[in-house]
Amino acid sequence: AQSVAQPEDQVNVAEGNPLTVKCTYSVSGNPYLFWYVQYPNRGLQFLLKYITGDNLVKGSYGFEAEFNKSQTSFHLKKPSALVSDSALYFCAVRADSNYQLIWGAGTKLIIKP
Amino acid sequence: DAGVIQSPRHEVTEMGQEVTLRCKPISGHNSLFWYRQTMMRGLELLIYFNNNVPIDDSGMPEDRFSAKMPNASFSTLKIQPSEPRDSAVYFCASSPYISDTQYFGPGTRLTVL
Repeated sequence: AQSVAQPEDQVNVAEGNPLTVKCTYSVSGNPYLFWYVQYPNRGLQFLLKYITGDNLVKGSYGFEAEFNKSQTSFHLKKPSALVSDSALYFCAVRADSNYQLIWGAGTKLIIKP
Repeated sequence: DAGVIQSPRHEVTEMGQEVTLRCKPISGHNSLFWYRQTMMRGLELLIYFNNNVPIDDSGMPEDRFSAKMPNASFSTLKIQPSEPRDSAVYFCASSPYISDTQYFGPGTRLTVL
């Protein structure tokens, strides 16, 4: 069965510091991995995805994510956090044989000035 | 280019009433997804369409829920009769192809009293 885990309900980071939001997954076959961000009272916005190729994926707003097949992880990172990065972040995965995305529970990211 | 459009943005109704949520996908997108988001259950896929045809409705909670896509530019999600436990934010998302990145609308916040 497919599953996604975001082990941290909340991550607190000081502005200017690097941030990491963790995601691990379980799928049969090759994974398609996605990160989305949700600001209050807004829809989910696509940040980046991994399909194949380079394990380091760069996305919107300076975010990047590293695909690690051996650890079945796809952690979201940013070198220097901004207060405006504060939001809810979702990781999602699907297998290459399935069109349905499986979503993590979300991680609330709080960036303090 | 306009993103996914949903209406209404907010809906307050009384138990037993019929509710219709509307979605206009991004022009040229072939796939459309309906999701429900609650604090308790997170993001749930209700149903998705490809080329206006329903592919998987296994996420629709009960027979009270129905969805249609009469053409490539319009979809509805109907709840009849509505119940307080249907209160949630309902999102519509579209993608160029069924396996591609999904782009979300702003959501409809439904409150059933």
